[in-house]
Amino acid sequence: AQSVTQLDSHVSVSEGTPVLLRCNYSSSYSPSLFWYVQHPNKGLQLLLKYTSAATLVKGINGFEAEFKKSETSFHLTKPSAHMSDAAEYFCVVIDTGGFKTIFGAGTRLFVKA
Amino acid sequence: EAGVAQSPRYKIIEKRQSVAFWCNPISGHATLYWYQQILGQGPKLLIQFQNNGVVDDSQLPKDRFSAERLKGVDSTLKIQPAKLEDSAVYLCASSPRSKGGKKSSYNEQFFGPGTRLTVL
Repeated sequence: AQSVTQLDSHVSVSEGTPVLLRCNYSSSYSPSLFWYVQHPNKGLQLLLKYTSAATLVKGINGFEAEFKKSETSFHLTKPSAHMSDAAEYFCVVIDTGGFKTIFGAGTRLFVKA
Repeated sequence: EAGVAQSPRYKIIEKRQSVAFWCNPISGHATLYWYQQILGQGPKLLIQFQNNGVVDDSQLPKDRFSAERLKGVDSTLKIQPAKLEDSAVYLCASSPRSKGGKKSSYNEQFFGPGTRLTVL
């Protein structure tokens, strides 16, 4: 059975400092992994996706994530936080058949000036 | 290109009443999804359509929830009768058909703005 665990419900950083949002997954097969962002009163937007090509995936707005099979992790990082990054972030796993989309519980990112 | 459209944006009903939500996916997208997002939680997949066929409805409470996508384009999700715990945002998403032998799991899902349901 598939599952996704986002290890932090809230993360607070200062503007200009690095961001790390942690995600661990469980899957019986080789999954596809995604990070989506949800700004207040806005729809979910794709940040980046891993689909078995390069293990280091670059996304929009300077975010990137590294797929580590041995650790079953897909952590999201950004070298320098911006105020506009404050939002809810979701880690998502989809099985190879394209079914059973599972969202993590989300991590709310706060960025302090 | 136009995004995923949903209506209404907000709905307030009393428990035991019925309610229906409508979704129009991005033109040409074969796969359509309905999610329930309860406040403070991640979205939960309720049902997934491929064209007008259901490919996964394992988390749909079938005693009260129903969904259809008759012509393989737009879709409706109905709750009858509603309970207090159905208060949530209902999200619709769509994704394109896979091309070039790529796996369908690689496809990005495009989300609509959602319908916020309050059950009193």
